[in-house]
Amino acid sequence: DAKTTQPNSMESNEEEPVHLPCNHSTISGTDYIHWYRQLPSQGPEYVIHGLTSNVNNRMASLAIAEDRKSSTLILHRATLRDAAVYYCILANFGNEKLTFGTGTRLTIIP
Amino acid sequence: DARVTQTPRHKVTEMGQEVTMRCQPILGHNTVFWYRQTMMQGLELLAYFRNRAPLDDSGMPKDRFSAEMPDATLATLKIQPSEPRDSAVYFCASGLWDVGFRNEQFFGPGTRLTVL
Repeated sequence: DAKTTQPNSMESNEEEPVHLPCNHSTISGTDYIHWYRQLPSQGPEYVIHGLTSNVNNRMASLAIAEDRKSSTLILHRATLRDAAVYYCILANFGNEKLTFGTGTRLTIIP
Repeated sequence: DARVTQTPRHKVTEMGQEVTMRCQPILGHNTVFWYRQTMMQGLELLAYFRNRAPLDDSGMPKDRFSAEMPDATLATLKIQPSEPRDSAVYFCASGLWDVGFRNEQFFGPGTRLTVL
């Protein structure tokens, strides 16, 4: 699977939007972009995924660059509960295996 | 609220002992994954099953680890004999893989294993 690159850590103020970047310059045409997050002392949880178009759900939005070589997870209004490690993962269509990298540790400042 | 359950939540054992970890996937899910998480290696996929059949166990040390699904409601991960380097948090996850390829995996709370 293609590799992703994320910043090791980010900080954001509570109640402000957060933009978490992910670079995936070697993405193939059939790779889906997945985001998971892991809260402290918990298993990872699914956040969102997309292929080409921007996606929205109750948790977040996923903005995908036109060339698909990068994407951004957007938390519209960060709360303390959003402090977690966020993983950006590529997985080819039909491949249910997810390879987790080191992710971005997001700290929310009250 | 359907959840993946794992037992035990914590296990402390001595080197050489057998360890069995259990997972109950979400009812109706046809794919079950076993992951291991350590500070050094991060989150690694050990093995996964679809419809109870093993599809890939390439991430698992074959000499001491074994994974099975005796039935659709139970997945087991066994280590025999255990070693201190096996100390980690072991996560089970389940999902419903179908032609729509949503690929959303639901993780359990994990089993924290300490081998002395």
